[in-house]
Amino acid sequence: GQSLEQPSEVTAVEGAIVQINCTYQTSGFYGLSWYQQHDGGAPTFLSYNALDGLEETGRFSSFLSRSDSYGYLLLQELQMKDSASYFCAVGGDKIIFGKGTRLHILP
Amino acid sequence: DADVTQTPRNRITKTGKRIMLECSQTKGHDRMYWYRQDPGLGLRLIYYSFDVKDINKGEISDGYSVSRQAQAKFSLSLESAIPNQTALYFCATSDLEVATGGGYNEQFFGPGTRLTVL
Repeated sequence: GQSLEQPSEVTAVEGAIVQINCTYQTSGFYGLSWYQQHDGGAPTFLSYNALDGLEETGRFSSFLSRSDSYGYLLLQELQMKDSASYFCAVGGDKIIFGKGTRLHILP
Repeated sequence: DADVTQTPRNRITKTGKRIMLECSQTKGHDRMYWYRQDPGLGLRLIYYSFDVKDINKGEISDGYSVSRQAQAKFSLSLESAIPNQTALYFCATSDLEVATGGGYNEQFFGPGTRLTVL
């Protein structure tokens, strides 16, 4: 089967950097992805890592280590609008999501 | 704009009633999915479909059924609703061509339907 573990909540200060970790167990790895969901909204795709290393998209970066079954999402220069839930996900034909990490940002 | 739409957006019903949630998309995607979201449990896959003749069960299909009426339409039914089916339901689509071509199976979500079963 497939399962993912990520912290339920993380708190950081505006302007700072925060890292949200994700460990996974899966049979047949197709890559690790990240989604963002604001309160009352739908999840939206942020990033995808198929290979080891760091992928950068603006203030957001995502890292993958396939040997450790581990990845993280790094958010830099935090803004209040980054307050949201973040989900890691794995899968090929069907995607399995983690339970989500609620990011609280303090002014 | 190409989009994923869900109707209704909110629904309150009573235990034992049959409910249908509808999803339509104009993205031209072949793959469609239904997810359920509960607080603290993330998104769980109910059913998914790769084309009109292909329906697959997800993690939590018991108590649900689906119908893929056309490439653009995928509906979810609760045959006899019960209170623990109270949740936020999302429809999503993805592009078969991109996914099988080595790209990522990115999910495009609709706005969600908030269902309450009393």
